[in-house]
Amino acid sequence: DIQMTQSPSSMSASLGDTVTINCLASQDIGNYLSWYQQKPGKSPKLMIYGATNLEDGVPSRFSGSRSGSDYSLTINSLGYDDEGIYHCHQYYEYPPTFGGGTKLELK
Amino acid sequence: QVQLKESGPGLVQPSQTLSLTCTVSGFSLTSYNVHWVRQPTGKGLEWMGVIWTGGSTDYNSALKSRLSISRDTSKSQVFLKMNSLQTEDIATYYCAREGVLGWYFDFWGPGTMVTVSS
Repeated sequence: DIQMTQSPSSMSASLGDTVTINCLASQDIGNYLSWYQQKPGKSPKLMIYGATNLEDGVPSRFSGSRSGSDYSLTINSLGYDDEGIYHCHQYYEYPPTFGGGTKLELK
Repeated sequence: QVQLKESGPGLVQPSQTLSLTCTVSGFSLTSYNVHWVRQPTGKGLEWMGVIWTGGSTDYNSALKSRLSISRDTSKSQVFLKMNSLQTEDIATYYCAREGVLGWYFDFWGPGTMVTVSS
């Protein structure tokens, strides 16, 4: 199975900051990567698919990028509503696998 | 609008069978694949399996011997059955719709928490 190594596991940032969350794939997955935001007690919400495509309705402060097998989710102008756990997910091959999650908190 | 909702018993005895239902609306099971994903409390997401638009299924190899996914298209319901439940199966179980442009998940149900205890 493809391993997705997500970092950091947790982070704290201030209002208005720019933060980046990373995901490293154990093998080539092309652009078959998505990002989800999960708030406490809620189901994951799709933010990015195809590594760089913003899901409808997601603020343009969110962006996804790729450099080789390294994938990043960047959030600009951080707001309190951005707190939560972020998960990366590869869907290049079965079984689909997820990163361990990054917990983002605002100071 | 697209909705999915999981239902089933919140408590299952050890070694017994878990039966969950995912009721969908706003789309057809013959047009979209539906997946099951679970999440132990405080842990990451684990893909369990999928039922394809044609009715065939694929499962996580780690669960394959215990897991069965089926559907009733007339009722817009997808079913999950997993036997021999143990404490390691304690988790929130989600059903999710596969996206149009790939095997990502564009809509999720709210999830249902399952505890294994006698």
